[in-house]
Amino acid sequence: DMKVTQMPRYLIKRMGENVLLECGQDMSHETMYWYRQDPGLGLQLIYISYDVDSNSEGDIPKGYRVSRKKREHFSLILDSAKTNQTSVYFCASSLGGNNQAPLFGEGTRLSVL
Amino acid sequence: QQKVQQSPESLIVPEGGMASLNCTSSDRNVDYFWWYRQHSGKSPKMLMSIFSNGEKEEGRFTVHLNKASLHTSLHIRDSQPSDSALYLCAASMAGGYKVVFGSGTRLLVSP
Repeated sequence: DMKVTQMPRYLIKRMGENVLLECGQDMSHETMYWYRQDPGLGLQLIYISYDVDSNSEGDIPKGYRVSRKKREHFSLILDSAKTNQTSVYFCASSLGGNNQAPLFGEGTRLSVL
Repeated sequence: QQKVQQSPESLIVPEGGMASLNCTSSDRNVDYFWWYRQHSGKSPKMLMSIFSNGEKEEGRFTVHLNKASLHTSLHIRDSQPSDSALYLCAASMAGGYKVVFGSGTRLLVSP
């Protein structure tokens, strides 16, 4: 079953704490993405990964970093989270190639208090 | 400025009516367009893709693409209440597999 799985689904953190969002896919997709979604702003690209240890900044990378040590797993890390990082975070994956539509996970709703 | 602009921001159509949504890229590096649908509290799901100039129809949904003007539109005929959702236009940028999204059109189909 082709699926992108995100953990956790909901997370509450205090300002200044570190946050780890995890994403896995079972399709051996090369390309993986992290987006955040805020009301009225659509989906904003944070990072894109082309394969293991091959990551590139998206449009809003400041305050985030990523890790991809296995093809099926892509993590988003917030070091010292800020209240303006409260958002819904979506992970997506695709086969790679410009004509491949990303397949999305169910999202992680993060609140930073 | 966002590279992908969508209009209108919101749209109300009666059940059985036609909904028309628009999307334009301001970046000429766009290779491909997709339309996604996102129901409230759910993740975006790819609805339709269009890569070539012209029109593509799948059931009640039709997409148009004009590559010269980098404009795509989605038309939903015989709209149903279950079509009420946020519709997102996505474009892939040449040379890097980067996929950018517009801010969406929120469609409400009133019974």
